[in-house]
Amino acid sequence: GENVEQHPSTLSVQEGDSAVIKCTYSDSASNYFPWYKQELGKGPQLIIDIRSNVGEKKDQRIAVTLNKTAKHFSLHITETQPEDSAVYFCAANRANRDDKIIFGKGTRLHILP
Amino acid sequence: EAGVTQFPSHSVIEKGQTVTLRCDPISGHDNLYWYRRVMGKEIKFLLHFVKESKQDESGMPNNRFLAERTGGTYSTLKVQPAELEDSGVYFCASSQDPDSRGTEAFFGQGTRLTVV
Repeated sequence: GENVEQHPSTLSVQEGDSAVIKCTYSDSASNYFPWYKQELGKGPQLIIDIRSNVGEKKDQRIAVTLNKTAKHFSLHITETQPEDSAVYFCAANRANRDDKIIFGKGTRLHILP
Repeated sequence: EAGVTQFPSHSVIEKGQTVTLRCDPISGHDNLYWYRRVMGKEIKFLLHFVKESKQDESGMPNNRFLAERTGGTYSTLKVQPAELEDSGVYFCASSQDPDSRGTEAFFGQGTRLTVV
């Protein structure tokens, strides 16, 4: 089955700097890669996703890159702000109704003032 | 539009007791998932309903866990009898048929279960 590894487990960056979280996956059949943000007391919320037919996707300060050959995908947050502090989860899925989302272990991101 | 709602938000029970968690998915979503996160670890899949049918229950830890989705609307997850290792946050998520809108899954706020 699919296995998703996520690094680092904790990340502290100065406000205004960039943050990068990296993930790898094992199942070459996975073709949908969502990223979730979980704030304290809330459930995971989808912030961006990428499908295997593209290599990069951007939404304002957030971007995701995908390298299918290497089975790597990454989340990039630029110009970080205090409200970016949260736990971020990467995930992989085969994008059909029979498949569940497999999550990484999460990265706790701290934005330092 | 109301999101995925879960009840209760917190539950503290003693080992050996029974607890029932409830999830109300977004109206019209056929797919309903249960996940669990044990502290510091990944969010792990438990099972997947398509309408009222169990599509995949490969993640259910053991037969102390029973999930139902009568009528294809809300779902319950019962743990009986509860053990210490069942402690964690239980998330429910729902999504529409991926043929129509992709696989975006919306999560509830979770139920924090503590077994003492």
